[in-house]
Amino acid sequence: EAQVTQNPRYLITVTGKKLTVTCSQNMNHEYMSWYRQDPGLGLRQIYYSMNVEVTDKGDVPEGYKVSRKEKRNFPLILESPSPNQTSLYFCASSSGQVSGQPQHFGDGTRLSIL
Amino acid sequence: KNQVEQSPQSLIILEGKNCTLQCNYTVSPFSNLRWYKQDTGRGPVSLTIMTFSENTKSNGRYTATLDADTKQSSLHITASQLSDSASYICVVTDRGSTLGRLYFGRGTQLTVWP
Repeated sequence: EAQVTQNPRYLITVTGKKLTVTCSQNMNHEYMSWYRQDPGLGLRQIYYSMNVEVTDKGDVPEGYKVSRKEKRNFPLILESPSPNQTSLYFCASSSGQVSGQPQHFGDGTRLSIL
Repeated sequence: KNQVEQSPQSLIILEGKNCTLQCNYTVSPFSNLRWYKQDTGRGPVSLTIMTFSENTKSNGRYTATLDADTKQSSLHITASQLSDSASYICVVTDRGSTLGRLYFGRGTQLTVWP
């Protein structure tokens, strides 16, 4: 079954404790992306990647890092989490953006930073 | 500035009724426009994707229209069902960058009452 898998689904942690949210897709997609979703603000893009070792900033990259060492994986790293990063995070993948292919989203990771 | 505006912000309709959601954008150069449905607590799911040359596309009871000249799109839902209750998100892709920059609307929250 084609899917995008995020882990963990839920996490409560404290300020400053480094964390990684993993994202994996099994569709051999080139394009992967991370979003955060906050009430009233909709989805905002954090980082995206067109292919292995090719990443770029989205709208709200501050406080986040990503890496794309393998095509299937695109982890999101919070080096020193802060309470304003409490949010619902989604990872997505597609075979192409400009070509009009749909994005497949994971089920989300709800992060609470205390 | 590239933006995507959706209206209304929220909408309540009775089961069986039709409704139309609006999306206006200023993204240029335009590549494609997508409508997504997002159930509470889940990742968005693609409903339709339209490129510059397409002015209507259907997916079951969902019909999207696009007027690239006025930069407007609409999503029409026919014979609404309780399961249509969700947030509907309009997303426009920018053809200007090689990686395909995405611009998200904040969504329309639709509630269908029995």
